[in-house]
Amino acid sequence: EVQLVQSGAEVKKPGESLKISCKGSGYSSSNYWIGWARQIPGKSLEWVGMIYAGDSETRYSPSFQGQVTISVDKSIKIAYLQWYSLRASDTAIYFCAKSQDSNSLYYHYWGQGTLVTVSS
Amino acid sequence: EIVMMQSPATVSVSPGETVTLSCRASQSISTSLAWYQQKPGQAPRLLIYTESTRATGVPSRFRGSGSGTEFTLTINSLQSEDFATYYCQHYYEWPGWTFGQGTKVEVK
Repeated sequence: EVQLVQSGAEVKKPGESLKISCKGSGYSSSNYWIGWARQIPGKSLEWVGMIYAGDSETRYSPSFQGQVTISVDKSIKIAYLQWYSLRASDTAIYFCAKSQDSNSLYYHYWGQGTLVTVSS
Repeated sequence: EIVMMQSPATVSVSPGETVTLSCRASQSISTSLAWYQQKPGQAPRLLIYTESTRATGVPSRFRGSGSGTEFTLTINSLQSEDFATYYCQHYYEWPGWTFGQGTKVEVK
């Protein structure tokens, strides 16, 4: 059974850095995408970006380009979403998600979400 | 950026009834559309992809249809576990995958 387990909730101050993680299990191939989506509580979802585990090709949504860094360590099946300087507007729940394979552009498997709170 | 518009925002339905949710794209997305279900405090769950293909384990009462700019998700004989918020999302071109604002299906 494919599972994605995300790191726990974080409370940070504006300007601080943060790296959250998403650990996968139940699969062996590296031919898949890991996507990150943001959801402000009570609102819809937005894609932050995605990374191909096979070769670490990364794609960012324009709104998030330059604001975050997505990375993956395929050997231990962990993907990361990183900020170097958080802002209050980064407060949200962040979900990671995994595609079925390299050709799938939709996400079958989702992590439980990580709540990031940025407040002074 | 392609804008996805869902209607209605909220629909009240009794268990056993059929409900149809709409999703409209601001330009043609062919059949590059997915539907997700989300319950409070949970992650989204993939229901439908490529406009009409049900994901593994999704009951046959969920049916997706449409192409181009107009899409629908029909839920037949609504069960108690189906009360949730439903999002459509296109994956026609990157960058710019977008979700609709969601339709909440609530108990009448």
